[in-house]
Amino acid sequence: GAVVSQHPSWVICKSGTSVKIECRSLDFQATTMFWYRQFPKQSLMLMATSNEGSKATYEQGVEKDKFLINHASLTLSTLTVTSAHPEDSSFYICSARDEGRTYSNQPQHFGDGTRLSIL
Amino acid sequence: GENVEQHPSTLSVQEGDSAVIKCTYSDSASNYFPWYKQELGKGPQLIIDIRSNVGEKKDQRIAVTLNKTAKHFSLHITETQPEDSAVYFCAARYNQAGTALIFGKGTTLSVSS
Repeated sequence: GAVVSQHPSWVICKSGTSVKIECRSLDFQATTMFWYRQFPKQSLMLMATSNEGSKATYEQGVEKDKFLINHASLTLSTLTVTSAHPEDSSFYICSARDEGRTYSNQPQHFGDGTRLSIL
Repeated sequence: GENVEQHPSTLSVQEGDSAVIKCTYSDSASNYFPWYKQELGKGPQLIIDIRSNVGEKKDQRIAVTLNKTAKHFSLHITETQPEDSAVYFCAARYNQAGTALIFGKGTTLSVSS
């Protein structure tokens, strides 16, 4: 079945470091990918929509200079958390729509997330 | 924008019982409603979805019902098993290119044997 691969699964780093997270759709192409953030015991909050070949669209309150998104190909989107601080510690999850399906039934598949811990 | 409400936040059942989770959505333009299961430390896994032109869909022990007029949809799990224990999320989306899913707050289901 459709698979979204996310890497790394776990990162621990010092405050001030920049961290890059990769999201790949393994067996389908995705013009659009999505980045979510999830705090413990809470729901998934949409951060931004990543568009292949163009700028990402950020949700209100999400700093685009803090969370850099690059969607360089139809199967790869990256999220870079720049100059990370402890308050950026969270579970980041990417998602992609299987656009190979008919337009009215495009399931959205999720990666297994990246747990980011900033010391 | 879309807002999805989900109830209950926690649900405990005995093995073999049925479990029902309910969601309401605010945007009448939404036309795609999936349900996800999330296990600890993992990403959400799609378990069933329904489009707005269908009132009910079933897949073995799992079923979803949709009432467009009332703008609510429900997940039904029958003959629950301990491995059904997880957090379940409902979501809604308008099926236009580039639109993202908006999630409910989740339901923690515990199935005891």
